[in-house]
Amino acid sequence: DTEVTQTPKHLVMGMTNKKSLKCEQHMGHRAMYWYKQKAKKPPELMFVYSYEKLSINESVPSRFSPECPNSSLLNLHLHALQPEDSALYLCASSPLLLGEQYFGPGTRLTVT
Amino acid sequence: SQQGEEDPQALSIQEGENATMNCSYKTSINNLQWYRQNSGRGLVHLILIRSNEREKHSGRLRVTLDTSKKSSSLLITASRAADTASYFCAASRVGGSRLTFGEGTQLTVNP
Repeated sequence: DTEVTQTPKHLVMGMTNKKSLKCEQHMGHRAMYWYKQKAKKPPELMFVYSYEKLSINESVPSRFSPECPNSSLLNLHLHALQPEDSALYLCASSPLLLGEQYFGPGTRLTVT
Repeated sequence: SQQGEEDPQALSIQEGENATMNCSYKTSINNLQWYRQNSGRGLVHLILIRSNEREKHSGRLRVTLDTSKKSSSLLITASRAADTASYFCAASRVGGSRLTFGEGTQLTVNP
């Protein structure tokens, strides 16, 4: 299985809602990533987990809270988001840090 | 700040033609990677070239790396309409712990 899956595909949420994005991989990769991507822009790194521990937080606002329950799963908990947080959220994994990354299809998030 | 800068920003060609995209970076790298992204979807890894390699091929793709000029190029030969996508380079810096993506090139291949 060489796939990274993400759910949901689309999410519309109000500014007072709490929601979670989920990511799963079964390739045995030990590094997992969350990226945010705006239209016509490159992905921006948000968080990196290495061996299930948070190794990089790119000064992301606390309304985004990552969680890595086990080596196959990665969650991104969302709370009190702003309209400017609307974007495509991409999860990726790699066998090791700095190696080739495998991306999921993304969650299109709209904050109203 | 972005490590990679790509040019051109947009490229439009006819099917069957070759497409060349360039990427420049600022500091020493461990490797440089190229990704493709179809509209609104996840990125797909195309090829990784290490700092001690000069050229790499994968099917219709050819990547070159010139560490003295801190630049790389991606050549797609005999392009197809299905190659229409955004292409990003991503640099893994020496001493760094993340990939840094370039701004991307939007390639349109017209049938």
